[in-house]
Amino acid sequence: EPEVTQTPSHQVTQMGQEVILRCVPISNHLYFYWYRQILGQKVEFLVSFYNNEISEKSEIFDDQFSVERPDGSNFTLKIRSTKLEDSAMYFCASTLSGFGYTFGSGTRLTVV
Amino acid sequence: RKEVEQDPGPFNVPEGATVAFNCTYSNSASQSFFWYRQDCRKEPKLLMSVYSSGNEDGRFTAQLNRASQYISLLIRDSKLSDSATYLCVVNPLSGGYQKVTFGIGTKLQVIP
Repeated sequence: EPEVTQTPSHQVTQMGQEVILRCVPISNHLYFYWYRQILGQKVEFLVSFYNNEISEKSEIFDDQFSVERPDGSNFTLKIRSTKLEDSAMYFCASTLSGFGYTFGSGTRLTVV
Repeated sequence: RKEVEQDPGPFNVPEGATVAFNCTYSNSASQSFFWYRQDCRKEPKLLMSVYSSGNEDGRFTAQLNRASQYISLLIRDSKLSDSATYLCVVNPLSGGYQKVTFGIGTKLQVIP
């Protein structure tokens, strides 16, 4: 079964450092997303990406965040200057049509 | 009112029991609905889509009540392996790139 692959599975970084989270969506999917989940809280939307551009972003997705699809297969989320409150599980997801997502196994980001 | 509201539980039920969860949503224009399952510290996985006519997949039955703006999930003959958090997900449109909204999830613990 096709899957969404995320790396790394766990990232520890110092406050103020930049991090890049990587994702390889399912190859024929058209829509890509980043969601995050702070421990004990609900899954929150960050950004959606379609046709090589951001189609929607949440208020969480401020100037510290950016996304790229540099080579047609990878989909990255960059956080420029991490804060303690950025500590969360970050999930990449993709879908062909919008009916149900396939999520990656997530990157646990710990900011210290 | 929250966009998607769920009772976080936990629901502790014995093996073999039938258990039902409800989820209410605030946007009456919402078009598509899903139940996802999330195991502890893992990614959400699509359990089933929810249709107006109701749908069944083995021991799982999902229903949608548009008039009252809620969806339900019924699990019959609970197994230990059903222990997980069940996430209600609402999409404002019928497919497409728009973000979906997650509920906090309802935790189910099936007891031997």
